[in-house]
Amino acid sequence: GQQVMQIPQYQHVQEGEDFTTYCNSSTTLSNIQWYKQRPGGHPVFLIQLVKSGEVKKQKRLTFQFGEAKKNSSLHITATQTTDVGTYFCAGLNSGYALNFGKGTSLLVTP
Amino acid sequence: GAVVSQHPSWVICKSGTSVKIECRSLDFQATTMFWYRQFPKQSLMLMATSNEGSKATYEQGVEKDKFLINHASLTLSTLTVTSAHPEDSSFYICSAGAWGKSYEQYFGPGTRLTVT
Repeated sequence: GQQVMQIPQYQHVQEGEDFTTYCNSSTTLSNIQWYKQRPGGHPVFLIQLVKSGEVKKQKRLTFQFGEAKKNSSLHITATQTTDVGTYFCAGLNSGYALNFGKGTSLLVTP
Repeated sequence: GAVVSQHPSWVICKSGTSVKIECRSLDFQATTMFWYRQFPKQSLMLMATSNEGSKATYEQGVEKDKFLINHASLTLSTLTVTSAHPEDSSFYICSAGAWGKSYEQYFGPGTRLTVT
């Protein structure tokens, strides 16, 4: 079945530094989504990518979908303490459920 | 819009008892709801897909007789953990899809289950 891998598992940065998390799938993805989960909270939808090579931006966040639709990345420019949390990528399976990567926990120190 | 609620937010029960968790889509109709389980500092593991008016589809390794799922209406799905054991202690999260142009899912706040 579809497996979604995500690295790194943890990232600790100083406020103002950039951050990137990478996601790779064992199979071609029709749809990849990114979610953010704050400590003690639930996942919150960030974005959905469906096109090969797609790049989307949300303020300081840049999301990319690989040409082969098997990998994706999330890049945060000039991190802030409000960016703290765990970022998950998730591939949509044939039943419209999500296969989550293990997530990258981001810690930002001022 | 697209709010999903869960009740209770946390529950403590004794080993051998059953616990029911409710998941409601408050402002939209959800043909499909999903149940996930999350252990501390780990990812979300899909347990089952719940479709209104039909039997749930369980993921491999999830006991359907232990985790009973009912999706009686377009706004309510329930998960009942039967004969709970300490190893069932976990964070259970439901989500619902408001399928339109996007396949994004809206997650409930989760239910923390502790079995003593």
